[in-house]
Amino acid sequence: QLQLQESGPGLVKPSETLSLTCTVSGGSISSSSYYWGWIRQPPGKGLEWIGSIYYSGSTYYNPSLKSRVTISVDTSKNQFSLKLSSVTAADTAVYYCARDLGGYYNSHSIAGGFDYWGQGTLVTVSS
Amino acid sequence: DIVMTQSPDSLAVSLGERATINCKSSQSVLYSSNNKNYLAWYQQKPGQPPKLLIYWASTRESGVPDRFSGSGSGTDFTLTISSLQAEDVAVYYCQQYYNTPFTFGPGTKVDIK
Repeated sequence: QLQLQESGPGLVKPSETLSLTCTVSGGSISSSSYYWGWIRQPPGKGLEWIGSIYYSGSTYYNPSLKSRVTISVDTSKNQFSLKLSSVTAADTAVYYCARDLGGYYNSHSIAGGFDYWGQGTLVTVSS
Repeated sequence: DIVMTQSPDSLAVSLGERATINCKSSQSVLYSSNNKNYLAWYQQKPGQPPKLLIYWASTRESGVPDRFSGSGSGTDFTLTISSLQAEDVAVYYCQQYYNTPFTFGPGTKVDIK
């Protein structure tokens, strides 16, 4: 059974960089069928896609965050990571990592959306 | 960006009755080359991550009860719970993956009447 687990600081100061890691177990991050994504949810609000990465390092970012976001992958550790710079209180949210079924990237993909999710980690931006 | 809207914002349905949630996209999410609608539905319960229910607008994810069904094409979509169960109380989101940035609807809260 595939499992994803987010890890990282729960409190980040304004203007600093938020860093999170997602560890994938029960399957390989190097699978050719999938991308791996980050999605966030401010408390009591809706979902926002941050970006997705392929095991080769190819990335897609939300333009609204692109200037501040870096997503990277470490296949040797079966992990992928998120860095969000110059954070403000508006970046306070539960951050989820998830498996992206790749429907957008491949017209022959058998599925779409995000099927496996981590439990999420609350990151609060506050001094 | 493709803007996703949902209606209603919330609804209360009696146990065993039908619940219907609507989702509309600001532009078509139907890809003509494969005739697929790039639309997914999720269920989110309090304190839990979203759970994928439906993709390609109408394909049920493995293990999802068949009381959940998706329909629609182009810009207008519907998620139907044919016979509401107590465990279906949740917020439901639609999401398009036709274009980046992937975008979600604002959610519809389903409660028991």
